[in-house]
Amino acid sequence: KQEVTQIPAALSVPEGENLVLNCSFTDSAIYNLQWFRQDPGKGLTSLLLIQSSQREQTSGRLNASLDKSSGRSTLYIAASQPGDSATYLCAVRPKGGAQKLVFGQGTRLTINP
Amino acid sequence: DTEVTQTPKHLVMGMTNKKSLKCEQHMGHRAMYWYKQKAKKPPELMFVYSYEKLSINESVPSRFSPECPNSSLLNLHLHALQPEDSALYLCASSPLLRRERNEQFFGPGTRLTVL
Repeated sequence: KQEVTQIPAALSVPEGENLVLNCSFTDSAIYNLQWFRQDPGKGLTSLLLIQSSQREQTSGRLNASLDKSSGRSTLYIAASQPGDSATYLCAVRPKGGAQKLVFGQGTRLTINP
Repeated sequence: DTEVTQTPKHLVMGMTNKKSLKCEQHMGHRAMYWYKQKAKKPPELMFVYSYEKLSINESVPSRFSPECPNSSLLNLHLHALQPEDSALYLCASSPLLRRERNEQFFGPGTRLTVL
């Protein structure tokens, strides 16, 4: 059974710092991995999707990497801003899992001005 | 347009009421999803529709009844809910492209409170 873990559960950093969020998964048989952002009480915003054959994806100040063999992904946020404060969720789409996503518990990120 | 819309934004209902949640997307996506999310937890999948047919039901109680009238619309009919059903209900859609490229897009959610 695929399990996804995100550590730490919460992170607080000063504005302007570069930071890395971690995601690990137990089974490397995946189609893709998606990173989402969720503001309190709101829906999920898709940030990046990394296909299983890809190593990384970039969008603006965000860079996500995927190491399928070791079961790890990282989300790198450059020059953090208070507006980046949110919960970040990673989710994998397992092979043989129909269209289901398996989510991690999320990392709650706070950027202090 | 990469938007999934949901109505209403908030809903308060009694345990004997019948209400419906609505979800709409105009991205031409052929898969649509209902999720339930409790506070400080990740979303939990409830139902998946592919090409307007129910393909996944995650053993959801029958007091939740999904409906997909066409490829753009998804409804969730609610009846005789319990207070523990109070949660954020999220709709999502995906294009059903080659599996590696199948990205899910979420709506803003409906905050449901059952009294």
